Amino acid sequence: EPEVTQTPSHQVTQMGQEVILRCVPISNHLYFYWYRQILGQKVEFLVSFYNNEISEKSEIFDDQFSVERPDGSNFTLKIRSTKLEDSAMYFCASSEEAGNYGYTFGSGTRLTVV
Amino acid sequence: QKEVEQNSGPLSVPEGAIASLNCTYSDRGSQSFFWYRQYSGKSPELIMSIYSNGDKEDGRFTAQLNKASQYVSLLIRDSQPSDSATYLCAGDAGNNRKLIWGLGTSLAVNP
Repeated sequence: EPEVTQTPSHQVTQMGQEVILRCVPISNHLYFYWYRQILGQKVEFLVSFYNNEISEKSEIFDDQFSVERPDGSNFTLKIRSTKLEDSAMYFCASSEEAGNYGYTFGSGTRLTVV
Repeated sequence: QKEVEQNSGPLSVPEGAIASLNCTYSDRGSQSFFWYRQYSGKSPELIMSIYSNGDKEDGRFTAQLNKASQYVSLLIRDSQPSDSATYLCAGDAGNNRKLIWGLGTSLAVNP
């Protein structure tokens, strides 16, 4: 069964450092997403990406966040200057074209900012 | 503020029983709803999707949607210990397929 692949599985970083979270979506999927889940809290939408551009972003997705699809397969989330409150599980997801957009999630990256 | 609400539980059922999980949503414009299962420390896994009023069955799972009452439910028949997990309800919140999530209901199936 096709998978969404995320790396790394765990990342520990110092406050103020930049991190890049990587994702390889399912190859025939067209919509890509980043969500995060702080421990014990709801899954929160960060950003959606379609046709090589951001289609929607949340209030959380401020200037310290950016996304790229640099080579047609990878999909990255960059956090420029991490804060303690960025500690969370970050999930990449992808979905097919219209009609069935239940997501397939990657296994997640646990980001710990110290 | 668009919200999806779930009873956090824990819901405890004996093995073989029916587990009933419920969810309400605030946005009348939401059209599509999803149930995901999440094991501790893992990513959500899609169980069911439902788009129309009524019931949708898939194996041991039945999703129910009532748009007039803004209510979604998931029934799990013949519950197994492996069904023990947190069940997340999500509804769509716009044209870009963004989903709004509930906090999840923790289900424990006791052997």
